[in-house]
Amino acid sequence: NAGVTQTPKFQVLKTGQSMTLQCAQDMNHNSMYWYRQDPGMGLRLIYYSASEGTTDKGEVPNGYNVSRLNKREFSLRLESAAPSQTSVYFCASSFSGRETQYFGPGTRLLVL
Amino acid sequence: GQQVMQIPQYQHVQEGEDFTTYCNSSTTLSNIQWYKQRPGGHPVFLIQLVKSGEVKKQKRLTFQFGEAKKNSSLHITATQTTDVGTYFCAYPNFGNEKLTFGTGTRLTIIP
Repeated sequence: NAGVTQTPKFQVLKTGQSMTLQCAQDMNHNSMYWYRQDPGMGLRLIYYSASEGTTDKGEVPNGYNVSRLNKREFSLRLESAAPSQTSVYFCASSFSGRETQYFGPGTRLLVL
Repeated sequence: GQQVMQIPQYQHVQEGEDFTTYCNSSTTLSNIQWYKQRPGGHPVFLIQLVKSGEVKKQKRLTFQFGEAKKNSSLHITATQTTDVGTYFCAYPNFGNEKLTFGTGTRLTIIP
């Protein structure tokens, strides 16, 4: 039982490059989330998926797209990376929107 | 609209001193959760409070939910270096669709 897994753990991109962050959970959770956390700051919600087949914008969706591939997997795509997207990205999941969230270990992204 | 403030933003304490962080809401909350994030780590769930006036303890940590369910606190007695990190409260948004995380309180310990 791995919980929430994220790949990759670290990534360096050049401005304008694209990449997809992968997230998977094995807890049969319905809801999944993507957050970003800038150094010394709190968590900001990028996108979330309340259930398989649905996605909704969070607080800071610009520059990102998501795909809820199936119940287990929720990916985050940066189409054209910018230095302002340098951050740590956390994926999380929960049974429902108001329930406890379980976080993955994070992806540390540096955009040059 | 719903507004929740978490205070203080930072707290530096001598090892052995007590520490408290607060989350204060302008509206009644259905529940409140507390998470801890160690430096370089990810947020980890600590506890959920649901009932008015609820008090729960985990070793040196005491969690309270106010009678009006608008305020909550996390109190650590006799801090240790292992308590270092950022503590977040989290609460369901107005439609109970998802949690909103507070801004966090970063605790540093002076040995």
